[in-house]
Amino acid sequence: GIQVEQSPPDLILQEGANSTLRCNFSDSVNNLQWFHQNPWGQLINLFYIPSGTKQNGRLSATTVATERYSLLYISSSQTTDSGVYFCAVPSGSTDKLIFGTGTRLQVFP
Amino acid sequence: DAGVIQSPRHEVTEMGQEVTLRCKPISGHNSLFWYRQTMMRGLELLIYFNNNVPIDDSGMPEDRFSAKMPNASFSTLKIQPSEPRDSAVYFCASRRSAGNGYTFGSGTRLTVV
Repeated sequence: GIQVEQSPPDLILQEGANSTLRCNFSDSVNNLQWFHQNPWGQLINLFYIPSGTKQNGRLSATTVATERYSLLYISSSQTTDSGVYFCAVPSGSTDKLIFGTGTRLQVFP
Repeated sequence: DAGVIQSPRHEVTEMGQEVTLRCKPISGHNSLFWYRQTMMRGLELLIYFNNNVPIDDSGMPEDRFSAKMPNASFSTLKIQPSEPRDSAVYFCASRRSAGNGYTFGSGTRLTVV
């Protein structure tokens, strides 16, 4: 099945810093999502981004499907950005969404 | 839009008891997914439905687990009998159709003692 790898596994930042999270996947995909799991456990949909670039406030994402990776950019990080960031892609032609292992982000004041 | 609604938020039960988790998807969404999250295995798909019909239940761990979707606005995941290793957070998600993103509920934290 498709493999999804995320890096780095852990990231510690001071408030105001910028960061880039990476998601590599082993096969062609027709969609990709980024999620944020906050410290309370809620999974929040950040981007649905099969290709190209999208921006939402301080967050933006780029997927280069032909090279099988996606990047999530967080600018001017805030303590509320803390949590785990997951990317997820479908397995083959199914609806089965396969999650990466996540990047755990801690932002300190 | 109230989002995907799951109940209960927390459940503590004794080994051997039956547990029923509930999910109300977003109105108009045609697909519903049940996921389980543990420290060891991360997020795993258990089963999903399209238009109330189960499509893939290959992730259901064993016969103790069953899921139903009697109509477009309700689904249940049942564990009978429950075991301590079933302790996890169970998420329900829905999606309008292929080509759209998933929306997750807040999850049910299950503890089996």
